[in-house]
Amino acid sequence: KAGVTQTPRYLIKTRGQQVTLSCSPISGHRSVSWYQQTPGQGLQFLFEYFSETQRNKGNFPGRFSGRQFSNSRSEMNVSTLELGDSALYLCASSPGQPNTEAFFGQGTRLTVV
Amino acid sequence: DQQVKQNSPSLSVQEGRISILNCDYTNSMFDYFLWYKKYPAEGPTFLISISSIKDKNEDGRFTVFLNKSAKHLSLHIVPSQPGDSAVYFCAAREISGYSTLTFGKGTMLLVSP
Repeated sequence: KAGVTQTPRYLIKTRGQQVTLSCSPISGHRSVSWYQQTPGQGLQFLFEYFSETQRNKGNFPGRFSGRQFSNSRSEMNVSTLELGDSALYLCASSPGQPNTEAFFGQGTRLTVV
Repeated sequence: DQQVKQNSPSLSVQEGRISILNCDYTNSMFDYFLWYKKYPAEGPTFLISISSIKDKNEDGRFTVFLNKSAKHLSLHIVPSQPGDSAVYFCAAREISGYSTLTFGKGTMLLVSP
């Protein structure tokens, strides 16, 4: 069974640009959540999508957005990049039901210069 | 306000001995808890989980204990191996059914030969 796939693994962008990250969840999983990991803040929840609908959102500005497609693949977009957006972005795949585990992809390392 | 706390930033243990990683939480709505192991620049790897209706769950060398009244859980690794050296994250999920995870800041475990 394939795991969670995130692309690309590494990105370098310039301030002011926008970026799109992709996540393919485990087959059969309907929930995809996105997290940002930075040295100072740890792992912070961005948003969760379940069956193409955003069902929970963390405390991030509107520059961070996402979507989920009918095949459960998800993308997240960050517009008007700031230096502070440099982080490891992680996607978690889950069946979306209570008491079920979440499995993470390898992450996308975004560097904003 | 940190809802999940891992008060020990690091822990050093000798190979073959027991490693005990601790986690405290404040949110009474948390009903499912997970432990992850993480290497730098990689996604977290799921280790073990426990539902709030249990007080113990075992999987091989890993055992998680949950004390609901104290809002405390711990991960025991027996016997510890050098390959266990990594950062360990405690995560919690609310009873709402959403897949959102709230993470602690992590504990770096170093197992020396």
